[in-house]
Amino acid sequence: GDSVTQMEGPVTLSEEAFLTINCTYTATGYPSLFWYVQYPGEGLQLLLKATKADDKGSNKGFEATYRKETTSFHLEKGSVQVSDSAVYFCALSDLPTGTASKLTFGTGTRLQVTL
Amino acid sequence: NAGVTQTPKFQVLKTGQSMTLQCAQDMNHEYMSWYRQDPGMGLRLIHYSVGAGITDQGEVPNGYNVSRSTTEDFPLRLLSAAPSQTSVYFCASSQGSAEQFFGPGTRLTVL
Repeated sequence: GDSVTQMEGPVTLSEEAFLTINCTYTATGYPSLFWYVQYPGEGLQLLLKATKADDKGSNKGFEATYRKETTSFHLEKGSVQVSDSAVYFCALSDLPTGTASKLTFGTGTRLQVTL
Repeated sequence: NAGVTQTPKFQVLKTGQSMTLQCAQDMNHEYMSWYRQDPGMGLRLIHYSVGAGITDQGEVPNGYNVSRSTTEDFPLRLLSAAPSQTSVYFCASSQGSAEQFFGPGTRLTVL
């Protein structure tokens, strides 16, 4: 079945540091890939997505590239801020774009950014 | 639009009690789903619905029931609560794409 593997957290960085959170996946076919973010006490929000190989999703300074050859979708940000402290979830959907679908989530990676 | 709303925000039950977690969305989305979030396990799909009158099981359906009588509402019922059901529950909805919109969650403790 489908699965998503994320790097273990927590990740602690100083403000303005470079962020990478690794995500790899296993799926049949050509899944869509997502990063969701959960701020303390809140539900999940879509951060970015990519629907086909070599697509790059980006939002709020975060970006991730869909790499089919390495089955990866690593999240990066060049300069993190304290306000980026949250839990980040990598997820995939194995149904075609345009179809309501089920998501398979990774276990989440907690990011803490300090001054 | 209020988006996806969930009630209650917090709930404490005793083992064997029943309750219903409410979920509603005002975006006219066809697809709705329930997830539970447990430490170290991410989110796992409990049940989902692709439209009014249609529901199906997800990854961890045991101990939960759902129904979908309207497009807007998708309640989750615990028939006889167990300590293993202590978790944070999220409802989500989507339409036409794989992007799902999540509610704020219900934190449930079963003693």
